[in-house]
Amino acid sequence: AQKITQTQPGMFVQEKEAVTLDCTYDTSDPSYGLFWYKQPSSGEMIFLIYQGSYDQQNATEGRYSLNFQKARKSANLVISASQLGDSAMYFCAMREITNAGKSTFGDGTTLTVKP
Amino acid sequence: DVKVTQSSRYLVKRTGEKVFLECVQDMDHENMFWYRQDPGLGLRLIYFSYDVKMKEKGDIPEGYSVSREKKERFSLILESASTNQTSMYLCASSSGQGGTNYGYTFGSGTRLTVV
Repeated sequence: AQKITQTQPGMFVQEKEAVTLDCTYDTSDPSYGLFWYKQPSSGEMIFLIYQGSYDQQNATEGRYSLNFQKARKSANLVISASQLGDSAMYFCAMREITNAGKSTFGDGTTLTVKP
Repeated sequence: DVKVTQSSRYLVKRTGEKVFLECVQDMDHENMFWYRQDPGLGLRLIYFSYDVKMKEKGDIPEGYSVSREKKERFSLILESASTNQTSMYLCASSSGQGGTNYGYTFGSGTRLTVV
């Protein structure tokens, strides 16, 4: 079974609007971390935001926030006030405490910001 | 500025050649990883290493080998390149400390074409 599922292959958003990128995960580990990465067309993957499984508050980093719903096993990325430079592929990933340092990635969502 | 450096952004090799992809990190990270990225298939783990001279197979190790003689350097070797190894190769590193809050730092990727 897929450990990380991103159901939206592609998304469009108007500049300055907010957008939510979906991510659901599957694990039986009590301790895990969830990450979002951005990959622009240049190819380099950039870390955006982290959420720990025991964190009570949703993580935020500037315009990025992570909507963490533990019971539903979802970790959606919310980008507020979209900018043209946000056009990229976005990957959700999970690191489980028992998986010895490895992260599992979803298939990614391509976000296009329209002017 | 912390970095993971991959030696080549673009590489063209002939079928049957032995190919070396080099990755160097300056963060004193214990863990290093090689992924390949193909459209529609996401990121697939080829090999990873937790320490010098240690290596573990990932999900798709066939046709590849690795070398980690020094902590900062992790090399991916295509023993006899084939056209189905044409792909984007991403190197990443992460802290080996316990816990789930250590994400990856990625290199800028190598686009390998085998002709």
